[in-house]
Amino acid sequence: EPEVTQTPSHQVTQMGQEVILRCVPISNHLYFYWYRQILGQKVEFLVSFYNNEISEKSEIFDDQFSVERPDGSNFTLKIRSTKLEDSAMYFCASSNLGVASPLHFGNGTRLTVT
Amino acid sequence: AQTVTQSQPEMSVQEAETVTLSCTYDTSESDYYLFWYKQPPSRQMILVIRQEAYKQQNATENRFSVNFQKAAKSFSLKISDSQLGDAAMYFCAYRSAMNRDDKIIFGKGTRLHILP
Repeated sequence: EPEVTQTPSHQVTQMGQEVILRCVPISNHLYFYWYRQILGQKVEFLVSFYNNEISEKSEIFDDQFSVERPDGSNFTLKIRSTKLEDSAMYFCASSNLGVASPLHFGNGTRLTVT
Repeated sequence: AQTVTQSQPEMSVQEAETVTLSCTYDTSESDYYLFWYKQPPSRQMILVIRQEAYKQQNATENRFSVNFQKAAKSFSLKISDSQLGDAAMYFCAYRSAMNRDDKIIFGKGTRLHILP
Protein backbone atom coordinates (compact mmCIF):
# COMPACT_ATOMS: atom_id res chain seq x y z
CA GLU A 1 0.00 0.00 0.00
CA PRO A 2 1.38 3.45 -0.88
CA GLU A 3 2.68 5.48 2.03
CA VAL A 4 3.47 9.05 2.92
CA THR A 5 7.17 9.22 3.70
CA GLN A 6 8.88 11.84 5.83
CA THR A 7 12.54 12.62 6.25
CA PRO A 8 14.42 12.87 8.47
CA SER A 9 12.83 10.86 11.24
CA HIS A 10 14.64 12.98 13.82
CA GLN A 11 16.21 16.40 13.43
CA VAL A 12 18.17 18.24 16.07
CA THR A 13 18.89 21.90 15.51
CA GLN A 14 20.04 24.92 17.43
CA MET A 15 17.73 27.77 18.25
CA GLY A 16 17.69 30.35 15.47
CA GLN A 17 18.64 27.90 12.75
CA GLU A 18 16.52 27.15 9.72
CA VAL A 19 15.14 23.65 9.22
CA ILE A 20 13.40 22.01 6.31
CA LEU A 21 11.20 19.01 6.93
CA ARG A 22 10.54 16.89 3.90
CA CYS A 23 7.57 14.83 2.87
CA VAL A 24 6.74 12.70 -0.14
CA PRO A 25 2.96 12.37 -0.30
CA ILE A 26 1.22 9.47 -2.01
CA SER A 27 1.71 9.99 -5.72
CA ASN A 28 -1.87 10.59 -6.90
CA HIS A 29 -2.83 12.73 -3.93
CA LEU A 30 -3.71 16.37 -4.44
CA TYR A 31 -4.26 17.74 -0.94
CA PHE A 32 -1.41 18.13 1.51
CA TYR A 33 -1.25 19.02 5.16
CA TRP A 34 1.17 19.62 7.98
CA TYR A 35 0.30 18.95 11.60
CA ARG A 36 2.39 19.12 14.72
CA GLN A 37 2.21 17.39 18.07
CA ILE A 38 4.07 18.75 21.05
CA LEU A 39 5.06 15.81 23.23
CA GLY A 40 2.08 14.41 25.09
CA GLN A 41 -0.34 16.92 23.67
CA LYS A 42 -2.96 17.02 20.95
CA VAL A 43 -2.28 16.95 17.24
CA GLU A 44 -2.61 20.50 15.90
CA PHE A 45 -3.30 21.63 12.36
CA LEU A 46 -0.68 23.90 10.80
CA VAL A 47 -1.46 24.31 7.12
CA SER A 48 -3.25 22.80 4.14
CA PHE A 49 -2.04 23.05 0.55
CA TYR A 50 -3.81 22.46 -2.73
CA ASN A 51 -3.16 23.42 -6.32
CA ASN A 52 0.21 24.91 -5.41
CA GLU A 53 -1.08 27.30 -2.84
CA ILE A 54 -2.00 27.42 0.81
CA SER A 55 -5.70 26.69 1.36
CA GLU A 56 -5.81 27.36 5.05
CA LYS A 57 -3.37 28.00 7.87
CA SER A 58 -3.72 28.08 11.61
CA GLU A 59 -2.57 30.84 13.94
CA ILE A 60 0.45 28.68 14.77
CA PHE A 61 1.61 28.99 11.16
CA ASP A 62 3.16 32.44 11.44
CA ASP A 63 5.75 34.15 9.25
CA GLN A 64 8.45 31.80 10.49
CA PHE A 65 6.80 28.94 8.64
CA SER A 66 6.50 28.30 4.93
CA VAL A 67 5.53 25.39 2.72
CA GLU A 68 6.55 24.51 -0.76
CA ARG A 69 6.01 21.85 -3.36
CA PRO A 70 9.26 22.32 -5.28
CA ASP A 71 8.66 19.49 -7.71
CA GLY A 72 6.01 16.91 -8.48
CA SER A 73 6.75 14.74 -5.49
CA ASN A 74 8.10 16.63 -2.48
CA PHE A 75 6.18 18.78 -0.02
CA THR A 76 8.33 20.70 2.44
CA LEU A 77 7.83 22.64 5.64
CA LYS A 78 10.45 25.28 6.41
CA ILE A 79 10.90 26.92 9.77
CA ARG A 80 13.03 29.99 9.23
CA SER A 81 14.40 30.66 12.69
CA THR A 82 13.61 27.88 15.11
CA LYS A 83 12.56 28.50 18.68
CA LEU A 84 12.65 26.13 21.63
CA GLU A 85 8.87 25.85 21.52
CA ASP A 86 9.04 24.52 17.95
CA SER A 87 10.27 21.23 19.39
CA ALA A 88 7.55 18.76 18.44
CA MET A 89 6.60 15.88 16.18
CA TYR A 90 5.67 17.15 12.73
CA PHE A 91 3.33 15.07 10.62
CA CYS A 92 2.74 15.38 6.92
CA ALA A 93 -0.55 14.07 5.51
CA SER A 94 -2.17 13.80 2.12
CA SER A 95 -5.47 12.83 0.55
CA ASN A 96 -6.66 12.38 -3.00
CA LEU A 97 -10.32 13.34 -3.08
CA GLY A 98 -10.41 16.01 -0.44
CA VAL A 99 -12.93 15.48 2.29
CA ALA A 100 -14.34 12.34 0.66
CA SER A 101 -11.15 10.48 1.43
CA PRO A 102 -9.26 10.08 4.69
CA LEU A 103 -5.93 11.70 5.44
CA HIS A 104 -2.94 9.43 5.20
CA PHE A 105 -0.21 10.40 7.63
CA GLY A 106 3.51 9.92 7.44
CA ASN A 107 5.51 8.57 10.37
CA GLY A 108 6.48 12.06 11.44
CA THR A 109 9.69 13.99 11.99
CA ARG A 110 10.72 14.61 15.56
CA LEU A 111 12.24 18.10 15.73
CA THR A 112 14.35 18.96 18.73
CA VAL A 113 15.46 22.56 19.12
CA THR A 114 18.27 23.11 21.61
CA ALA B 1 -15.66 26.68 15.30
CA GLN B 2 -15.80 22.95 15.61
CA THR B 3 -14.41 21.24 18.69
CA VAL B 4 -13.73 17.64 19.62
CA THR B 5 -13.74 16.52 23.24
CA GLN B 6 -12.37 13.30 24.66
CA SER B 7 -13.13 13.26 28.35
CA GLN B 8 -11.08 10.17 29.26
CA PRO B 9 -7.32 10.95 29.28
CA GLU B 10 -6.50 7.31 30.08
CA MET B 11 -8.28 3.98 30.18
CA SER B 12 -7.32 0.41 30.95
CA VAL B 13 -8.86 -2.84 29.84
CA GLN B 14 -8.08 -6.48 30.42
CA GLU B 15 -6.86 -8.38 27.40
CA ALA B 16 -9.77 -10.02 25.51
CA GLU B 17 -12.31 -7.69 27.12
CA THR B 18 -14.29 -4.91 25.47
CA VAL B 19 -13.64 -1.23 25.99
CA THR B 20 -15.45 1.90 24.83
CA LEU B 21 -13.72 5.23 24.28
CA SER B 22 -15.89 8.34 24.40
CA CYS B 23 -15.90 11.32 22.08
CA THR B 24 -18.22 14.27 21.70
CA TYR B 25 -18.01 17.07 19.21
CA ASP B 26 -19.59 20.39 18.57
CA THR B 27 -20.57 21.67 15.15
CA SER B 28 -23.32 23.59 13.46
CA GLU B 29 -22.76 21.75 10.19
CA SER B 30 -24.89 18.88 8.98
CA ASP B 31 -22.42 17.21 6.68
CA TYR B 32 -19.09 16.03 8.04
CA TYR B 33 -16.86 13.04 8.70
CA LEU B 34 -15.70 11.54 11.95
CA PHE B 35 -12.62 9.43 12.50
CA TRP B 36 -10.74 7.48 15.09
CA TYR B 37 -6.96 7.45 14.69
CA LYS B 38 -4.58 5.24 16.63
CA GLN B 39 -1.11 6.39 17.61
CA PRO B 40 1.08 3.56 18.97
CA PRO B 41 4.42 4.23 20.70
CA SER B 42 6.01 4.49 17.26
CA ARG B 43 4.05 7.80 16.98
CA GLN B 44 2.62 6.93 13.57
CA MET B 45 -0.99 8.06 13.01
CA ILE B 46 -3.10 5.15 11.81
CA LEU B 47 -6.70 5.45 10.67
CA VAL B 48 -8.86 3.00 12.60
CA ILE B 49 -12.36 3.78 11.41
CA ARG B 50 -14.35 6.44 9.58
CA GLN B 51 -17.99 7.51 9.74
CA GLU B 52 -19.87 9.72 7.32
CA ALA B 53 -22.42 11.89 9.12
CA TYR B 54 -25.10 11.27 6.51
CA LYS B 55 -24.97 7.53 7.15
CA GLN B 56 -27.13 6.28 9.98
CA GLN B 57 -25.47 2.89 10.08
CA ASN B 58 -22.55 2.65 12.47
CA ALA B 59 -19.21 1.90 10.86
CA THR B 60 -17.45 -1.38 11.70
CA GLU B 61 -13.91 -2.58 10.98
CA ASN B 62 -13.26 -6.05 12.36
CA ARG B 63 -12.97 -5.67 16.16
CA PHE B 64 -13.56 -1.91 16.00
CA SER B 65 -17.01 -0.35 15.82
CA VAL B 66 -18.52 3.02 16.55
CA ASN B 67 -21.68 4.25 18.18
CA PHE B 68 -22.58 7.36 16.23
CA GLN B 69 -25.33 9.46 17.78
CA LYS B 70 -25.72 12.47 15.51
CA ALA B 71 -28.33 14.30 17.56
CA ALA B 72 -26.24 13.93 20.70
CA LYS B 73 -23.02 14.71 18.76
CA SER B 74 -21.43 11.63 20.19
CA PHE B 75 -19.02 9.24 18.48
CA SER B 76 -17.68 6.48 20.70
CA LEU B 77 -15.27 3.72 19.70
CA LYS B 78 -15.77 0.16 20.88
CA ILE B 79 -12.86 -2.26 20.78
CA SER B 80 -13.88 -5.88 21.19
CA ASP B 81 -11.57 -8.71 22.22
CA SER B 82 -8.81 -6.25 23.17
CA GLN B 83 -5.30 -7.28 22.22
CA LEU B 84 -1.93 -6.14 23.53
CA GLY B 85 -1.28 -4.47 20.18
CA ASP B 86 -4.26 -2.19 20.74
CA ALA B 87 -2.32 -0.30 23.40
CA ALA B 88 -1.95 3.20 22.00
CA MET B 89 -3.19 6.76 22.09
CA TYR B 90 -6.55 7.06 20.36
CA PHE B 91 -7.64 10.33 18.80
CA CYS B 92 -11.17 11.19 17.81
CA ALA B 93 -11.29 13.59 14.88
CA TYR B 94 -13.75 15.72 12.93
CA ARG B 95 -13.66 16.91 9.36
CA SER B 96 -16.11 19.28 7.75
CA ALA B 97 -17.46 18.35 4.34
CA MET B 98 -17.96 22.00 3.39
CA ASN B 99 -14.68 22.42 1.52
CA ARG B 100 -12.78 19.82 -0.44
CA ASP B 101 -9.56 20.33 1.44
CA ASP B 102 -10.89 20.88 4.92
CA LYS B 103 -8.58 20.03 7.75
CA ILE B 104 -9.09 17.38 10.40
CA ILE B 105 -9.58 18.60 13.96
CA PHE B 106 -8.37 16.25 16.67
CA GLY B 107 -9.41 15.72 20.25
CA LYS B 108 -6.79 15.55 22.99
CA GLY B 109 -6.66 11.78 22.89
CA THR B 110 -7.26 8.83 25.20
CA ARG B 111 -4.35 6.63 26.18
CA LEU B 112 -5.47 2.99 26.23
CA HIS B 113 -3.60 0.45 28.32
CA ILE B 114 -4.13 -3.27 27.77
CA LEU B 115 -3.62 -5.38 30.87
CA PRO B 116 -2.37 -8.94 30.24
